[in-house]
Amino acid sequence: GAVVSQHPSRVICKSGTSVKIECRSLDFQATTMFWYRQFPKQSLMLMATSNEGSKATYEQGVEKDKFLINHASLTLSTLTVTSAHPEDSSFYICSARDQHSVPEAFFGQGTRLTVV
Amino acid sequence: GDSVTQMEGPVTLSEEAFLTINCTYTATGYPSLFWYVQYPGEGLQLLLKATKADDKGSNKGFEATYRKETTSFHLEKGSVQVSDSAVYFCALTKSGNTPLVFGKGTRLSVIA
Repeated sequence: GAVVSQHPSRVICKSGTSVKIECRSLDFQATTMFWYRQFPKQSLMLMATSNEGSKATYEQGVEKDKFLINHASLTLSTLTVTSAHPEDSSFYICSARDQHSVPEAFFGQGTRLTVV
Repeated sequence: GDSVTQMEGPVTLSEEAFLTINCTYTATGYPSLFWYVQYPGEGLQLLLKATKADDKGSNKGFEATYRKETTSFHLEKGSVQVSDSAVYFCALTKSGNTPLVFGKGTRLSVIA
């Protein structure tokens, strides 16, 4: 299957700082990328959908000024957690699709963010 | 809106036991259906898929059949192994740039 690379896999940051998470599709063009948040032993919560070259669409309750999403190219999307607080600590997962090809989405390895 | 309901876990089985994880869906039109697996500390991996009614998806001994009449996509495996211990997610999508709709996940533990 197609490969989606997410980096970093783990990050620890201090409260008030910003953290950037990268998501790359390595062998296909990701016309659409999705960002999820997963709490321990729970399902995935969709945060936002981003299409290449346009603004992201955020789900209700997700602060767009806090979780900045950029999808500047067909192979790269970034999620920046701004002014991080301990409650932002979570497992963040990106997903990518090529809407012109197969219907399934491919997932990155996830990023464990810990804010101290 | 579209939704996916899967059996709640955790499910604990002995090695070589038969596995069934139930999944039903509600959707208009003709969605594609998927099973994803998540191992501890990792992202999701596509396990199998089916894109139309009566299709059977299979991979690594796992199978699921797209049943439109019962709106179901139950996951089965004849003989589970300890390495199958993970969380399994049932999901659907329509097409284009819409996100997948996931069930809540079922945690499977296989003991030797």
